[in-house]
Amino acid sequence: GNSVTQMEGPVTLSEEAFLTINCTYTATGYPSLFWYVQYPGEGLQLLLKATKADDKGSNKGFEATYRKETTSFHLEKGSVQVSDSAVYFCALRDGADGLTFGKGTHLIIQP
Amino acid sequence: EAQVTQNPRYLITVTGKKLTVTCSQNMNHEYMSWYRQDPGLGLRQIYYSMNVEVTDKGDVPEGYKVSRKEKRNFPLILESPSPNQTSLYFCASSLSGIRETQYFGPGTRLLVL
Repeated sequence: GNSVTQMEGPVTLSEEAFLTINCTYTATGYPSLFWYVQYPGEGLQLLLKATKADDKGSNKGFEATYRKETTSFHLEKGSVQVSDSAVYFCALRDGADGLTFGKGTHLIIQP
Repeated sequence: EAQVTQNPRYLITVTGKKLTVTCSQNMNHEYMSWYRQDPGLGLRQIYYSMNVEVTDKGDVPEGYKVSRKEKRNFPLILESPSPNQTSLYFCASSLSGIRETQYFGPGTRLLVL
């Protein structure tokens, strides 16, 4: 079956630091890949996505590249802000199934 | 505004008392689904619907029912809630069921005593 593995954290960084959150996946088909973000007390918002190999998704300074050869979709941001503190979920969607999520990475940015 | 709405947002109930959580989307999406979020387990799909009158089990369907009589609505029914169904529930929808982006509602926090 499908699965997503990501670091759970919490990950604590200082403002303006470089961020990487690793995500690897296992899928039987050719999935679309997603990063969702959950701010405290809120629902999930789509952050970015990629639908095929070598695609790069980007939004709000965050980027992730669909790497089929390493089955990875690592999230990066060059300079984080306190407002980026949230839980980040890597997910895949393969065929007609729903999303398969990683367990989420709690990111804490300190001023 | 394109959105998925859920009601209620917070609910405290007792074991065995039937409840329904409503979900509605205004994007004319064909695909709708329910997830539950639990600490250490992430999000898991409960049920999904590819279209009106078509529903199917997700990963954790036990203790839940759904119906899809209209395209925009997809209620989640707990016929006899138990404490292990205490969780945060999310409804989501997408244009179709094939690798499309799912859009999430704000969540319903349920406590079963």
